[in-house]
Amino acid sequence: KQEVTQIPAALSVPEGENLVLNCSFTDSAIYNLQWFRQDPGKGLTSLLLIQSSQREQTSGRLNASLDKSSGRSTLYIAASQPGDSATYLCAFPDSGGGADGLTFGKGTHLIIQP
Amino acid sequence: DTAVSQTPKYLVTQMGNDKSIKCEQNLGHDTMYWYKQDSKKFLKIMFSYNNKELIINETVPNRFSPKSPDKAHLNLHINSLELGDSAVYFCASSQDGASEAFFGQGTRLTVV
Repeated sequence: KQEVTQIPAALSVPEGENLVLNCSFTDSAIYNLQWFRQDPGKGLTSLLLIQSSQREQTSGRLNASLDKSSGRSTLYIAASQPGDSATYLCAFPDSGGGADGLTFGKGTHLIIQP
Repeated sequence: DTAVSQTPKYLVTQMGNDKSIKCEQNLGHDTMYWYKQDSKKFLKIMFSYNNKELIINETVPNRFSPKSPDKAHLNLHINSLELGDSAVYFCASSQDGASEAFFGQGTRLTVV
């Protein structure tokens, strides 16, 4: 069964810095990985989806990479802003077809200081 | 239009009661899910439902049961509520396991 670890658990940085959030997984036979953000008291917002055949995806100031061989994914946030403050979660389908849903990491709680 | 919507957003109820949470998706997806987020904010799959096939996480008590009246809806029924059921419950949908998943805004259930 897939195990997902996110490091760091919490991060606080000044506005404007570039930062990297890490996600590691134990089973390299993944179909895809997805990065979400969750604002306090809110639902999950999908940020990026990387298929297993891809190495990275970009959306605006966000760039996610995937290295299956090392069991790692990173989410790079450029020029961070206070509005980026949220909990960031990575997740993977739990089985070949994804029928078992996603396995989530415990998230990185990010605070961007104005 | 909200892609995945669930109601109610908040639910406070007494122990022993039976309650339901509704979920609807307008994305035309084939698979819907229910997740539970506990007090430590950890998200865990409870059920997935696809083409009348239900997959149940083995840790889910049988007091919990999903009901799908049609492809766009997957409601969650909970019988004999217990204090430990207090959590935030999220509905989600995706076309299949290789596709992007979309989540509802969550239902915060408080059992008193």
